[in-house]
Amino acid sequence: NAGVTQTPKFQVLKTGQSMTLQCAQDMNHNSMYWYRQDPGMGLRLIYYSASEGTTDKGEVPNGYNVSRLNKREFSLRLESAAPSQTSVYFCASSEWVPPYNEQFFGPGTRLTVL
Amino acid sequence: GESVGLHLPTLSVQEGDNSIINCAYSNSASDYFIWYKQESGKGPQFIIDIRSNMDKRQGQRVTVLLNKTVKHLSLQIAATQPGDSAVYFCAEKGSGGSNYKLTFGKGTLLTVNP
Repeated sequence: NAGVTQTPKFQVLKTGQSMTLQCAQDMNHNSMYWYRQDPGMGLRLIYYSASEGTTDKGEVPNGYNVSRLNKREFSLRLESAAPSQTSVYFCASSEWVPPYNEQFFGPGTRLTVL
Repeated sequence: GESVGLHLPTLSVQEGDNSIINCAYSNSASDYFIWYKQESGKGPQFIIDIRSNMDKRQGQRVTVLLNKTVKHLSLQIAATQPGDSAVYFCAEKGSGGSNYKLTFGKGTLLTVNP
């Protein structure tokens, strides 16, 4: 049982390049999330998917797109990377049983945009 | 908007002492709170949670206290060990249309001195 896995672990991009961050979970959770973490800013929600087939914007969605490929996989795409998108990106999943929403996090992707 | 914040950005304790990490929240309608631990280079890891209808919840060496009157949350770690050194985040679960979302505080860095 791997939990939440993310690829790649590290990535360096040039401004204007595109890339997709991959996330998969094997806990059969319905909900999945993408966060970014910047120094002194805590974790901020980019996009989330409450269930397969749905996606919604979080706090900081500009410059990103997501795809909920199936129940297991939720990808985050940067179409034209900018230096402001340098950050650590975390994927999480949860099985929301009101009011509980314990989210399980992956190990993160460290992205640098030059 | 809703926010979750921490009183102390850093905390340094001696091994064996008890640690207390504090958190203030602003949304009186939040019904669920979580404490996460994040070690360097890793994703956040669940420690303990509490529902808003409780004042106190205990785990192994950890206790979470919730004071709804002043919208304050604290995490107590008993007999702190070097392995407890990490950043600790509190998070609150939104209400209504934000039921899926966790709002995170900026984190407190706990350093345990041997």
